[in-house]
Amino acid sequence: KAGVTQTPRYLIKTRGQQVTLSCSPISGHRSVSWYQQTPGQGLQFLFEYFSETQRNKGNFPGRFSGRQFSNSRSEMNVSTLELGDSALYLCASNPPGTGWTEAFFGQGTRLTVV
Amino acid sequence: QQQVKQSPQSLIVQKGGISIINCAYENTAFDYFPWYQQFPGKGPALLIAIRPDVSEKKEGRFTISFNKSAKQFSLHIMDSQPGDSATYFCAATWGAQKLVFGQGTRLTINP
Repeated sequence: KAGVTQTPRYLIKTRGQQVTLSCSPISGHRSVSWYQQTPGQGLQFLFEYFSETQRNKGNFPGRFSGRQFSNSRSEMNVSTLELGDSALYLCASNPPGTGWTEAFFGQGTRLTVV
Repeated sequence: QQQVKQSPQSLIVQKGGISIINCAYENTAFDYFPWYQQFPGKGPALLIAIRPDVSEKKEGRFTISFNKSAKQFSLHIMDSQPGDSATYFCAATWGAQKLVFGQGTRLTINP
């Protein structure tokens, strides 16, 4: 069974640009969550999607948005990039009916804003 | 109240020693406490988890100790090996809610 797949693995963007990251969950998983990982801050929750609907949202500005498609694939978008957005963005999915007791993470997308 | 506080930020242990990482929480609604292990270039992976109705859970060299009254839990790695060198995150969740993570501990096991 394929794991959670995130693309691209690495990105370099310029301040002010926008970026779209993609996440394909494990087959059969319908919940997808996104996290931002930075040194010293750990994993900060961005948002969660279930069946194409945003179910939870973290404390990030409106520049961060996401969506989920009918095949459970998810994208997150960051507009008007700032230097502080440089981070590892992680996507996780979980099996139906488990809540978040079994979260499977992708390898992440390393975003660098210059 | 949503926070999970983790310490230390970094830890160096000699091979064969015991590694101990501590976490504390405030939200008494949390009912599931997992630990995740992350190697460089990889996403976090579930290592071991505990529910608050037990005080200890052991899986191989990894043990979670849980103190419900103190709202604290810790990860013990016995006979630590260089291959255990990684970043460890404690986390908490309840119901179908999101995982709340600690800040992470970078563990280095010296050979």
